[in-house]
Amino acid sequence: AQKVTQAQTEISVVEKEDVTLDCVYETRDTTYYLFWYKQPPSGELVFLIRRNSFDEQNEISGRYSWNFQKSTSSFNFTITASQVVDSAVYFCALPLGTYKYIFGTGTRLKVLA
Amino acid sequence: DTGVSQNPRHKITKRGQNVTFRCDPISEHNRLYWYRQTLGQGPEFLTYFQNEAQLEKSRLLSDRFSAERPKGSFSTLEIQRTEQGDSAMYLCASSSVGETQYFGPGTRLLVL
Repeated sequence: AQKVTQAQTEISVVEKEDVTLDCVYETRDTTYYLFWYKQPPSGELVFLIRRNSFDEQNEISGRYSWNFQKSTSSFNFTITASQVVDSAVYFCALPLGTYKYIFGTGTRLKVLA
Repeated sequence: DTGVSQNPRHKITKRGQNVTFRCDPISEHNRLYWYRQTLGQGPEFLTYFQNEAQLEKSRLLSDRFSAERPKGSFSTLEIQRTEQGDSAMYLCASSSVGETQYFGPGTRLLVL
């Protein structure tokens, strides 16, 4: 079965600290995509990254980086030098087929000034 | 370049009333999806369309729920005889086939 686990319900950090959000997944597929989305208080889910299971290279985009490890079925997300604007709920997602995304329960990140 | 839009953004209704939500996808996307999100949970898939055809409905979508996409552009989600358990955020997303889903701002429904 497809499943996404985000064990961290809530994380609080002080501005400028680095923080890592964990995502562990289960899938029977041999090739698949993984996603991260950000949901600020306004409610809209903002797409952050899509990763193909073929590519295990780490991805870096500004202060954001993603570590994909197939051996441990993890796709972790790190924010470097966190800012107050990073405060949001972050979701990891795994597609079931070509249309249905299975989301984790999310990690609420609070960045304190 | 406009994103996915949803209306209304907020809806408060009394139990037993009918409500209808609208979603306008990104114009070049032929797939449109509806998800429901309750407090403290991730979004859960409800249904999706490819052009005007509704191709899958989740078991979460009871007989009181109906979705349409009459011309393959905008979509509506109607809930008849609302119940308090229907209170949630209803999210719409769109994509091209096999591509990333982009989400709208959602409609927050509160059933009193």
